[in-house]
Parts: sequence; structure tokens; C-alpha cells
Amino acid sequence: AQSVTQLGSHVSVSEGALVLLRCNYSSSVPPYLFWYVQYPNQGLQLLLKYTSAATLVKGINGFEAEFKKSETSFHLTKPSAHMSDAAEYFCAVSEKDAGGTSYGKLTFGQGTILTVHP
Amino acid sequence: EAQVTQNPRYLITVTGKKLTVTCSQNMNHEYMSWYRQDPGLGLRQIYYSMNVEVTDKGDVPEGYKVSRKEKRNFPLILESPSPNQTSLYFCASSLNPGLHSYNEQFFGPGTRLTVL
Repeated sequence: AQSVTQLGSHVSVSEGALVLLRCNYSSSVPPYLFWYVQYPNQGLQLLLKYTSAATLVKGINGFEAEFKKSETSFHLTKPSAHMSDAAEYFCAVSEKDAGGTSYGKLTFGQGTILTVHP
Repeated sequence: EAQVTQNPRYLITVTGKKLTVTCSQNMNHEYMSWYRQDPGLGLRQIYYSMNVEVTDKGDVPEGYKVSRKEKRNFPLILESPSPNQTSLYFCASSLNPGLHSYNEQFFGPGTRLTVL
């Protein structure tokens, strides 16, 4: 069974500093990978997704993530944090078969709460 | 506007009183799913539906029921709620994951349920 691990339930950075949120997955076949963001009292919004094209994926709000098969990782980064980035971030995977067909289900990591200090 | 809607957004109830949380999407999506979110556990899938009249269990189905009589609606039913079902619930929908190479799921705004 696939699993997703997000290292660090809380990450705190200063405004303007680099944001790095870590995500590792375990799956027999490299899955489709997603990062979602959840602002307080809101639903989940897709930040970016990896679908077997370019390994460096750019998303909304200046975020990007790099798929590294050898490390089974999909870490999320942003060069310069803004106060508005404060939220909870979820890494998720969608397992697929060898032919690339998704099984549909999303498996989520535990979430990382990002705090941005002025 | 393309969206997933859920009702109610907030609900406080008592143990054993049947309740239904509605979910509706206007994107003609085949796939719909329910998740619950608990602190430190992320989101866990309760039930999902690949299309009308096709539903299946997710990772935490105990105590829940669903139905899919129409493509746009996917209600979550708690026939006898218990305090351990106090949680934040999300409905999501996507195109058929079997026909599309990746299934970007669109999420509703969430329903916060408290069972006393």
C-alpha cells in the first residue's frame, strides 16, 4: 500500500525566507503527485501536480516542486515567503498502474502547517 | 462557476441522531469521494464513487453510508453518529480516473461536524 510522509508537522519561516516543505512517498510505481493548500476555514486548493512530464513542476503563487524518483521525494519550495502563504499544506499521491492509469484514490500526508513571521 | 458544494457547513448533533451531509458538483464529473480530516492524520478517504450507482469503501468506511443516484450528487449518511465521528468532512470530484492520466480532484468547502 502506498503511503505519504510529510516531515515536520509545523514549519516556521521569516517573511522573505526560503520555504521548504518535505514530502516522501512509497509506491511500487511512481505515482501522480500533488500539493494542496488549505487556508484557515477553507477547502483544499491545488497548488501543483506532477504527472510524469517535467520533473520540476511550477504551481500557483510562486511555488514549485521537484520530483526525484531516486529519493522518492516531491518537496515543495518557494524562494521567498509571504505572510499570505501561512496555511496548511498537504502532499498527496494517486497511485497508478504500469500503464499509467490512475486508480483514482488520493492518499494524503499528515499535513504541514506553515507559519510566516514578519 | 465550476464548484463542489456541501451542506451544511457546520453541524452539531447528538449521538444516534441520523444525519445527511449533501454534496453536489456542477462539472459533470464521474468520480466523487468523501474524506474526513483529523489533526495529525491528514485526509482519509471514507467512500468513493466511480459513477452513478457505483460506490465503494475507502480507508475508513465504518459508520458511514453513501449513495449515488444522480451524477451530480453524492450524499454522506451517518445513520447513528458517535462522538468519534466528530471531524471535518470534505467532498471531492474529478473526471474518470480510468480515462484520464491524472485525476485532479476538486474539493468542496468542508463540513465541520460535532457529535455530542
